[in-house]
Amino acid sequence: ETAVFQTPNYHVTQVGNEVSFNCKQTLGHDTMYWYKQDSKKLLKIMFSYNNKQLIVNETVPRRFSPQSSDKAHLNLRIKSVEPEDSAVYLCASSSGTANSDYTFGSGTRLLVI
Amino acid sequence: AQRVTQVQPTGSSQWGEEVTLDCSYETSEYFYRIFWYRQLFSGEMVFLIYQPSFDTQNQRSGRYSVVFQKSFKSISLVISASQPEDSGTYFCALSEPPWGYKLTFGTGTSLLVDP
Repeated sequence: ETAVFQTPNYHVTQVGNEVSFNCKQTLGHDTMYWYKQDSKKLLKIMFSYNNKQLIVNETVPRRFSPQSSDKAHLNLRIKSVEPEDSAVYLCASSSGTANSDYTFGSGTRLLVI
Repeated sequence: AQRVTQVQPTGSSQWGEEVTLDCSYETSEYFYRIFWYRQLFSGEMVFLIYQPSFDTQNQRSGRYSVVFQKSFKSISLVISASQPEDSGTYFCALSEPPWGYKLTFGTGTSLLVDP
C-alpha cells in the first residue's frame, strides 16, 4: 500500500517530557512536511524537507526538531513538551515540483497534561 | 503575504442537495494553485481537487467542481448530490512557487449532510 504512515496515533505525556513522532511515506515522493493543527483546526506548516534537506523552517520553538534519515522518513522530536504543544501533528509528502499529489497521513494527536 | 479565508465556519445540507463552500485568498504571485481537502473525523486529510491559476477552466472531479473567480481571488467548491458521507471539515489551501514549499490553509468549513 502506498501512503503516508504516522505513528503513534495518540500520545499523552506530561509537561517537560520528550516525545518523538514517526512518519514514513511509500509514495516515492522527495518532499516531506510537518504541519501542526491546533484546537481551532488551524493548520500551519512547521517544517519541510526535500531529499533529506531542510527547506522550510517556520517560526517554531527550538524544542521542536525534525529528523530525516532518508527521503521516505521524516520524524519530529519535541524536547520538553509544553501544554500549548497539545495539538494534532500531520505529516505530508509530495513530489516537489508537481505538488498536486500532496498526500497527508492520518495525524498524531498529542495531549500534554 | 499569503492568506486564505473561509468565512463559513459551518454548513449543512440535505441528502441529494448541491453544496457550495466558499474560499478567498491573497497572493501576489501570478502562478499558484488552490487545493481543496476534506478532513475526516479520524483526522485524515483527503485530497479532493485542485485549480491551477493559469487554467481559466473550472476543474471537475467526480461530484466535486470549483467555481474559480481569479479576478476576485475567490474559489468555491461545489459538491453535487451531497451524501451523509460527505460530512467533515473542508479546507481550502494555497500553494505558491517554489512548488514543494508549503500549503497555506484556511480555517475550514465543517459540513454536515443530513440523511
